[in-house]
Amino acid sequence: SAVISQKPSRDICQRGTSLTIQCQVDSQVTMMFWYRQQPGQSLTLIATANQGSEATYESGFVIDKFPISRPNLTFSTLTVSNMSPEDSSIYLCSVEGREKNHEQFFGPGTRLTVL
Amino acid sequence: GENVEQHPSTLSVQEGDSAVIKCTYSDSASNYFPWYKQELGKRPQLIIDIRSNVGEKKDQRIAVTLNKTAKHFSLHITETQPEDSAVYFCAANFNKFYFGSGTKLNVKP
Repeated sequence: SAVISQKPSRDICQRGTSLTIQCQVDSQVTMMFWYRQQPGQSLTLIATANQGSEATYESGFVIDKFPISRPNLTFSTLTVSNMSPEDSSIYLCSVEGREKNHEQFFGPGTRLTVL
Repeated sequence: GENVEQHPSTLSVQEGDSAVIKCTYSDSASNYFPWYKQELGKRPQLIIDIRSNVGEKKDQRIAVTLNKTAKHFSLHITETQPEDSAVYFCAANFNKFYFGSGTKLNVKP
């Protein structure tokens, strides 16, 4: 499986500010995904980030709130904008496996707390 | 869209016993069903998966079964050990993943 890293691993932010989370993969991948995991909850897909095109957002998530960049095949960023305490969650990126047979592997996550 | 339901939400077993977690899905087009294990504070880890053209798959102490007609799939863990304690998530995939709500498994030594 791919080696996936995320920065930062955790952060505490003030409401109204923005945080950009980085996801780096050790190999080129076509599709990268961003998920949110609220405390004690399951994983919810925010958007799919494809290189060379705009991200595809899921219902309930909008680009103004969660802008995503995908400048190349090994890197993506997710920004959480104008944060409120309700944005406190773990944010995870994931990538499709090298064999492109639907397997997904997750990064270590970014634990965000908004005060 | 797809809807994945997972039961039970919590499961407590004695070490050495078996544990079974069940999921149902709604979209018959779903064709890939992974199971993830998430330990506290860690990322979800893929532990086993099954595709729609297979009815059962085993990997040592864990197995997954799929009933396409009934649209349900199950995770079976035999000879449970304390290190199996974690939250387990099922998922169904058709173009994207839909996750179940999770099962917190506690294996008592």
